Amino acid sequence: TQLLEQSPQFLSIQEGENLTVYCNSSSVFSSLQWYRQEPGEGPVLLVTVVTGGEVKKLKRLTFQFGDARKDSSLHITAAQPGDTGLYLCAETSGSRLTFGEGTQLTVNP
Amino acid sequence: DAGVIQSPRHEVTEMGQEVTLRCKPISGHNSLFWYRQTMMRGLELLIYFNNNVPIDDSGMPEDRFSAKMPNASFSTLKIQPSEPRDSAVYFCASSSTGTIHFFGPGTRLTVL
Repeated sequence: TQLLEQSPQFLSIQEGENLTVYCNSSSVFSSLQWYRQEPGEGPVLLVTVVTGGEVKKLKRLTFQFGDARKDSSLHITAAQPGDTGLYLCAETSGSRLTFGEGTQLTVNP
Repeated sequence: DAGVIQSPRHEVTEMGQEVTLRCKPISGHNSLFWYRQTMMRGLELLIYFNNNVPIDDSGMPEDRFSAKMPNASFSTLKIQPSEPRDSAVYFCASSSTGTIHFFGPGTRLTVL
């Protein structure tokens, strides 16, 4: 089981700002997922990335998978208070998911 | 459609008591996962089932923890006896593909 490191651990920004959070590993990911978890709820899948160099967009969210498949980033453009939550990356290995510790994002109105 | 259903949503108990957490997966999903989330350790996989059979229980912390899946629509996670360090949010998730997990709302357990 590889160790996933997410950064920053906490991020507090104003509405309208852009931000990027990161997920890194010392080993190659087979594939990587990003989840968002809101208070009092379970994580919800945002995206799965599989191919090195892959870029996926989901409205104001842009996900990148590093060419070497050892890192990934999530960029949010013009953040809104509704983006507030815990952003988790997870490495998939068969049916197992190994999660990073997450980035807690707060977007202030 | 109903998502993953967990009960109870909150449980407060005293050390030494037995705790049973319940989960109803999404209909048609053949994989079920139990996770535990704490501030110190994040979100950890405890055990998962495929077609009601336990496949990997390497994440179960110790013998005080046990999980069952008697049929495709129900699973339990039991802690006996409970200890304060078991306090956490316990999530159940189900999947039809294995890699895409649908999480329930969680059970917040507090052991005094």
